[in-house]
This record gives sequence, C-alpha cells and structure tokens, in this order.
Amino acid sequence: GNSVTQMEGPVTLSEEAFLTINCTYTATGYPSLFWYVQYPGEGLQLPLKATKADDKGSNKGFEATYRKETTSFHLEKGSVQVSDSAVYFCALSPRNTDKLIFGTGTRLQVFP
Amino acid sequence: SQTIHQWPATLVQPVGSPLSLECTVEGTSNPNLYWYRQAAGRGLQLLFYSVGIGQISSEVPQNLSASRPQDRQFILSSKKLLLSDSGFYLCAWRGGGSTNEKLFFGSGTQLSVL
Repeated sequence: GNSVTQMEGPVTLSEEAFLTINCTYTATGYPSLFWYVQYPGEGLQLPLKATKADDKGSNKGFEATYRKETTSFHLEKGSVQVSDSAVYFCALSPRNTDKLIFGTGTRLQVFP
Repeated sequence: SQTIHQWPATLVQPVGSPLSLECTVEGTSNPNLYWYRQAAGRGLQLLFYSVGIGQISSEVPQNLSASRPQDRQFILSSKKLLLSDSGFYLCAWRGGGSTNEKLFFGSGTQLSVL
C-alpha cells in the first residue's frame, strides 16, 4: 500500500541552525511527493513538491529532493528562523490519482 | 474567494446513534473533496476522497461512509457510532488537476462518542 513515515517531533532548534526532517515513503509506482506546513491556527499550505525522481522542490529556503533509490523526500533548510515554527507534513499522491496521504507531522520549534 | 464550511464544531453522541457531518465549499467548482481524521500520533488519516458528484473512494475499512450529493457538498455519515469513532474530523478541498495542490481545510469537528 501507500504510506508516509516521517520523524517524530518535536524538533527543537536555535535560530540559524540547519534543519532536516526525514520523510520516507512506500508506494506503488512513482508518486508525487509534497511537504505541507501548518502554522498555528491556520490551514495547510504547500511549501514544495516534486513529481518525479531527482526533482528538487524548493520554497523560501526549504528544499527537498525526490530520491527514488532511498524512497525519501527529506526536508532541509540551511538556516531556520523563529517564524518557521510550525508542523510539517510529508505527503504523497499516487500516480494518476487525487488521493493525498499524509505522514504524522513533525512539530518544529525554533528559539531565538 | 473560496471558503469551506464544516459543521458542527463539536458533537457528543451516544454509542449506536447515527452521525452526519456536513461540509460545503463556496467560490469554486468541481473541487476534489476529502475527509480526514486527525489523531495524536497518527497525524492526518485519509478516510474518503471524491473527485466528483457521486464518486467516493474509501481509504480505510471502517464504520463510516461518505456521500457527495452536490458538487460542493461532502457528507460523512454513520448508521451506528462506535466508541472508536471518536476523534477530530477535518474536511478539505483542493482544485482538480496536478497544478492545484494547495489544500484548504475546514475548522474541524470534535466528535466524542460516549
């Protein structure tokens, strides 16, 4: 079946630290992969996506590369800010469907 | 602008009673519609999704069902609630097609089955 596994949080970092949130997936075929972010009191927003192997999604300093060989889509940012504090969800959409399957979410807390 | 309405916000129901949660979307047409359950440690679990009127896909076997009687209306139902149906239910929509991935959520329904 299709599933997403991401690291448990919370992830606690100081401002300007390097961020990695791991995400691996199980899917038949080649799904599209996404990272969504949920800021406190708001809905989910789409920071980035990748639709095929070796694609790199990027948005506002965040990056993730679609790695078919390791079935991963880790989220990275070189220097986090306090305003990046949120819950991050890795998600996949199986090829040729409109399903969106989410991981459990990882809470990021950035302190000044 | 597009908005999504979900009600009720909270609901307390006895075991064995029926359930109907309603979700409507305004300001868009032919949206993809989703029902999720959010539980601690399990994140957002996809329950049902729909790409059009009368088209429902079920993701997990369970005591719940979904219907889409109109383009912008999505209903989550149960004939007889179980204790395990308690949780926080979220309706969501996004535009059809691969270019529309932004997902909009309703405000959620906290369901307690006693």
